[in-house]
Amino acid sequence: SQTIHQWPATLVQPVGSPLSLECTVEGTSNPNLYWYRQAAGRGLQLLFYSVGIGQISSEVPQNLSASRPQDRQFILSSKKLLLSDSGFYLCASLRRERNEQFFGPGTRLTVL
Amino acid sequence: AQTVTQSQPEMSVQEAETVTLSCTYDTSENNYYLFWYKQPPSRQMILVIRQEAYKQQNATENRFSVNFQKAAKSFSLKISDSQLGDTAMYFCAFLFTGTASKLTFGTGTRLQVTL
Repeated sequence: SQTIHQWPATLVQPVGSPLSLECTVEGTSNPNLYWYRQAAGRGLQLLFYSVGIGQISSEVPQNLSASRPQDRQFILSSKKLLLSDSGFYLCASLRRERNEQFFGPGTRLTVL
Repeated sequence: AQTVTQSQPEMSVQEAETVTLSCTYDTSENNYYLFWYKQPPSRQMILVIRQEAYKQQNATENRFSVNFQKAAKSFSLKISDSQLGDTAMYFCAFLFTGTASKLTFGTGTRLQVTL
């Protein structure tokens, strides 16, 4: 079965600092991967998705970028964080045989 | 583009009772998948139940069942014999495989199970 790891679990960063959140998947190969953000008390917004190494699609214009340097690694980055980047970031992977996404434990980011 | 609407921001139910959470969606597609996810205070997103649109039979997982009305584009979740551990945010979500299997989420319903 698949397992998703995300780190760090919690992060507090000053405005203007860089960001790197990592997501790794075990138990599958060539998965579709997704980054979602959840603002406090709100639903999930899809930020990026990737169908393969080096293939990144952006859903909304923003201060963030994503990369997929390896088959099972998905990274969310920013060069300069904004206050509005605060939120809960979730990585997800697709179980193709069932067409369902399952999620990692998430990273709570606070930008001060 | 698909949209998912959850019109109940908050609901409350007593332990052992039954509660139904509502969800409607809009799509022009014919083959798709619908899901209910649970997000407890830990914020981990947990898949509760899955429905394939081409199957008429409503999905059931233990105490959780859905009422899927394809023509009406309605997908409600029924929780029977509610337990304190069911307290969570519940999100309805839509997936179409033709768009890289992206999920579109509703805004969620906060369910509180009380004694």
